[in-house]
Amino acid sequence: EAQVTQNPRYLITVTGKKLTVTCSQNMNHEYMSWYRQDPGLGLRQIYYSMNVEATDKGDVPEGYKVSRKEKRNFPLILESPSPNQTSLYFCASSLRQGGPDEQYFGPGTRLTVT
Amino acid sequence: AQSVTQLDSQVPVFEEAPVELRCNYSSSVSVYLFWYVQYPNQGLQLLLKYLSGSTLVKGINGFEAEFNKSQTSFHLRKPSVHISDTAEYFCAVIRRSGAGSYQLTFGKGTKLSVIP
Repeated sequence: EAQVTQNPRYLITVTGKKLTVTCSQNMNHEYMSWYRQDPGLGLRQIYYSMNVEATDKGDVPEGYKVSRKEKRNFPLILESPSPNQTSLYFCASSLRQGGPDEQYFGPGTRLTVT
Repeated sequence: AQSVTQLDSQVPVFEEAPVELRCNYSSSVSVYLFWYVQYPNQGLQLLLKYLSGSTLVKGINGFEAEFNKSQTSFHLRKPSVHISDTAEYFCAVIRRSGAGSYQLTFGKGTKLSVIP
């Protein structure tokens, strides 16, 4: 089954404790991205990747890191989480960046930073 | 800069009534238009898309949308809603932003609540 998976689905952590949210897709998609969803603000893109070893900042990259060492995986790293990063996070992938392609979304990770 | 405006943040509607969720975008170049649906506690999934051709696009679950280039709109409609349509709906626009590069922008979402 074609899908985007994220882990963990729920995470509660404390300020400053490094964490990683994993994302994997099995569709051989070139393009992957991370979004955060906050009430009243919709979806905002954090980082995206056009292919292996090719990443770039989205609209709200501060406080986040990403890497793309393999085509299928695109982890999101919070080196020193803060309470304002409490949010619902989605990973998404699409066939390519240079085209009008549908985005496939993961189920989401709800992060709480205390 | 490209923007996508969903004019209503919340839309309550009675079961079996019609509904229209509005989406307007700003772009001076050709665009591709999408509607995504997010059911409670789930990720987003594609409802329908307009790439070219007929301006009336039909999607899953009885939804349809009409592309209106002169009004830069892509409103989503359903003639008779069900309780199961309760969800948040996102309009999204892709436009070419440079050589070989595309920009994707989401609206802020419209929460549809279907009342029994």
